[in-house]
Amino acid sequence: GQQLNQSPQSMFIQEGEDVSMNCTSSSIFNTWLWYKQDPGEGPVLLIALYKAGELTSNGRLTAQFGITRKDSFLNISASIPSDVGIYFCAGPMEYGNKLVFGAGTILRVKS
Amino acid sequence: DAMVIQNPRYQVTQFGKPVTLSCSQTLNHNVMYWYQQKSSQAPKLLFHYYDKDFNNEADTPDNFQSRRPNTSFCFLDIRSPGLGDAAMYLCATSRDEERPTTDTQYFGPGTRLTVL
Repeated sequence: GQQLNQSPQSMFIQEGEDVSMNCTSSSIFNTWLWYKQDPGEGPVLLIALYKAGELTSNGRLTAQFGITRKDSFLNISASIPSDVGIYFCAGPMEYGNKLVFGAGTILRVKS
Repeated sequence: DAMVIQNPRYQVTQFGKPVTLSCSQTLNHNVMYWYQQKSSQAPKLLFHYYDKDFNNEADTPDNFQSRRPNTSFCFLDIRSPGLGDAAMYLCATSRDEERPTTDTQYFGPGTRLTVL
């Protein structure tokens, strides 16, 4: 079945550093979604990517849809303490209204 | 603002005592989902409604039921909660139009369920 491999599993970085995380798959995806989940809250959509090669920014966040359609990355520049949380990538299953999720990247930021 | 709302945010129930969680949306989306999420794991889909059409996941226990009386509301009923059902329950919506728009899901803030 379709699976997403997300890495790294966790990161502990210094405030102000840049962060990079990625998702890969052996299957082709036509959409890549990046969500952030704060402790005790639901996932919030950060960036949605709909075209291969697409590079989209949302403030300090930048995400790219790989040209092979089998990967995507999310970068966070100049991290701040409120960036702490779990970041999930997700993509739609080939049929039906369902998403496949990566296992998540736990981000911790040292002030 | 258009949004997905879940009530209550925190629910405590006793082992075996039925509980109902609710979700409402002002997005006018025709697809609604219920997920279960355990600590630091990805959300796990329980079932979803495409309009009034109910779609159960093969591995969702019979203990979990759902109702969708209208477009805006969806309920999750846990008939006899066990200790293993303690989790965050997330509601999400999407609008079924042409792909890729239909693939984007919007989540509510979740209900944290504790089973004593």
